[in-house]
Amino acid sequence: EADIYQTPRYLVIGTGKKITLECSQTMGHDKMYWYQQDPGMELHLIHYSYGVNSTEKGDLSSESTVSRIRTEHFPLTLESARPSHTSQYLCASSGGAGAPRGSEAFFGQGTRLTVV
Amino acid sequence: AQTVTQSQPEMSVQEAETVTLSCTYDTSESDYYLFWYKQPPSRQMILVIRQEAYKQQNATENRFSVNFQKAAKSFSLKISDSQLGDAAMYFCAYGAGANSKLTFGKGITLSVRP
Repeated sequence: EADIYQTPRYLVIGTGKKITLECSQTMGHDKMYWYQQDPGMELHLIHYSYGVNSTEKGDLSSESTVSRIRTEHFPLTLESARPSHTSQYLCASSGGAGAPRGSEAFFGQGTRLTVV
Repeated sequence: AQTVTQSQPEMSVQEAETVTLSCTYDTSESDYYLFWYKQPPSRQMILVIRQEAYKQQNATENRFSVNFQKAAKSFSLKISDSQLGDAAMYFCAYGAGANSKLTFGKGITLSVRP
């Protein structure tokens, strides 16, 4: 069973509010990812990290920001939520000191965000 | 840049029958990895099967097997004896190198008819 956790699972929030989506993994993985996915649609990579203090923008432009101060923690922040941010956000992690090359990515259960 | 293409947005299969989901990719790397992920409705994404490019033998996991054609850059997933629980969205993914990120296809929605 994958040890990667996202909180909250569901969030309904008003426009203009600041929110932080939490993602933690206990597998010691170096790489972590944030994907945005509308229901039944493709995954869009919005942020990724190769390790502590390493973050990069993904393929889809996003107004969100991320930080990687600890290996196990990769939070995503929206300073001012808007209805266009309504979506599902998936966190994933892969790779580590003991992981074989080409090891799989493990996904969290996702956070379904609704901005009203 | 690497790309992964899943050209079929939806497929349907009769329970107990076999279905094949297609995936093609483009890369200039010689050593890489390919994955099929399953995302059931409102549930967590999980790995179905994994293939190393340097292995000629096609990967198999119970009812799931792949047809890996390296020269053609094709990586299809075959599901045998389809079950109702196989209904989900399936994503093909590519990864290479120590610091590469996974590249996903657009996914295909598979429905299973009872």
